[in-house]
Amino acid sequence: EIVLTQSPATLSLSPGERATLSCRASQSVSSYLAWYQQKPGQAPRLLIYDASNRATGIPARFSGSGSGTDFTLNISSLEAEDFAVYYCQQRSDWPLTFGGGTKVEIK
Amino acid sequence: QVQLVQSGPEVKKPGASVKVSCKASGYTFTDYFMHWVRQAPGQGLEWMGRISPNSGGTNYAQKFQGRVTLTRDTSISTVYMELSTLRSDDTAVYYCARDPLALAMGGNRFDPWGQGTLVTVSS
Repeated sequence: EIVLTQSPATLSLSPGERATLSCRASQSVSSYLAWYQQKPGQAPRLLIYDASNRATGIPARFSGSGSGTDFTLNISSLEAEDFAVYYCQQRSDWPLTFGGGTKVEIK
Repeated sequence: QVQLVQSGPEVKKPGASVKVSCKASGYTFTDYFMHWVRQAPGQGLEWMGRISPNSGGTNYAQKFQGRVTLTRDTSISTVYMELSTLRSDDTAVYYCARDPLALAMGGNRFDPWGQGTLVTVSS
């Protein structure tokens, strides 16, 4: 199965700062990568699909890039509601798999 | 609006089975795959399988093959996830999540999600 490795595990930043999250795949997933945000006690929410497309209603400060094995989620200027855990997910091959997550916490 | 409402929390003993429901509304139920994803306490997300509400066809992660069964009842727009031979490490929140693309396109991503159902396995 395709293993997704996210880094860093934790990112400590202040509101207004830029966040850069990484997701690396054990083999190419083309552009078939999505990003999700999960806040405590809530279900995940789709942010980005197919590497760079924002889902409906997602603010423009969230952007995704990459292809093949290396992907990045950027949050241009962190707002209070952005502090959460972020997961990547591939749909290139079965089984569908997720990364282990990156927690973005307030510094 | 699309809404997925799951059944309530469950407490089961090791070796038992659990069946969780997910009732869909706000769209044509048979037009979109439904997936199940679980999350152990403090851990990440794990995909279990998906069902076509149209045909009833299923795909399962090999890890759960033989222990998980996804079914649907189109008359009440509800999908079910049954997990058998429960172990303590099956303690988790179980989510249903709709595929945002229609069946023919098969997006294999998840949007939206149900609220989650906590299943606790304990003797």
